[in-house]
Amino acid sequence: AQSVAQPEDQVNVAEGNPLTVKCTYSVSGNPYLFWYVQYPNRGLQFLLKYITGDNLVKGSYGFEAEFNKSQTSFHLKKPSALVSDSALYFCAVRDSSGDAGNMLTFGGGTRLMVKP
Amino acid sequence: KAGVTQTPRYLIKTRGQQVTLSCSPISGHRSVSWYQQTPGQGLQFLFEYFSETQRNKGNFPGRFSGRQFSNSRSEMNVSTLELGDSALYLCASSLGGLGNQPQHFGDGTRLSIL
Repeated sequence: AQSVAQPEDQVNVAEGNPLTVKCTYSVSGNPYLFWYVQYPNRGLQFLLKYITGDNLVKGSYGFEAEFNKSQTSFHLKKPSALVSDSALYFCAVRDSSGDAGNMLTFGGGTRLMVKP
Repeated sequence: KAGVTQTPRYLIKTRGQQVTLSCSPISGHRSVSWYQQTPGQGLQFLFEYFSETQRNKGNFPGRFSGRQFSNSRSEMNVSTLELGDSALYLCASSLGGLGNQPQHFGDGTRLSIL
């Protein structure tokens, strides 16, 4: 079974400050990890993924994430937050073993509020 | 390149009716997955189709069904609608079927049950 936890329902940060959105996962094998962002009345937009290789993954709009196998974490980060980054962020996992196809398991989401 | 297109965007139905939602994936994508998003349950996987075959199914009752056509377009059907089926239904397409490619989502169909 695969599962994802996003421990914070909401993260508040001032514009220009660094931001971190936390994610921990559980899988039987090795994980494929993804971050998505959702704006109001829109679908999910892909930000970045970790499949294998370097633990630090860079994605769209200046976001990056660090894969930590020992802590089973994949936290999303950005050095300097923008007001326009305010949105709902989802972490998702797919176990690389087995035949899960493209079935993703999502965390509950974290609302990011960036204040001017 | 056009993105994932879902129709209709909004739908209002009453209990007991049935509904069909449509999804056109990105050109060349062979995998289409469906998710239900609600405030209480979050994002939950419904099913995935790849080359017209259902590959995986989530933990939903048999009232939820789907299919995929030879051009990769997909439909999902919900019969005997219940109030709890009110949700945003999201379709996502992916180039491959191994799970290591990102899924690209449409803007969803918001289904309201009266």
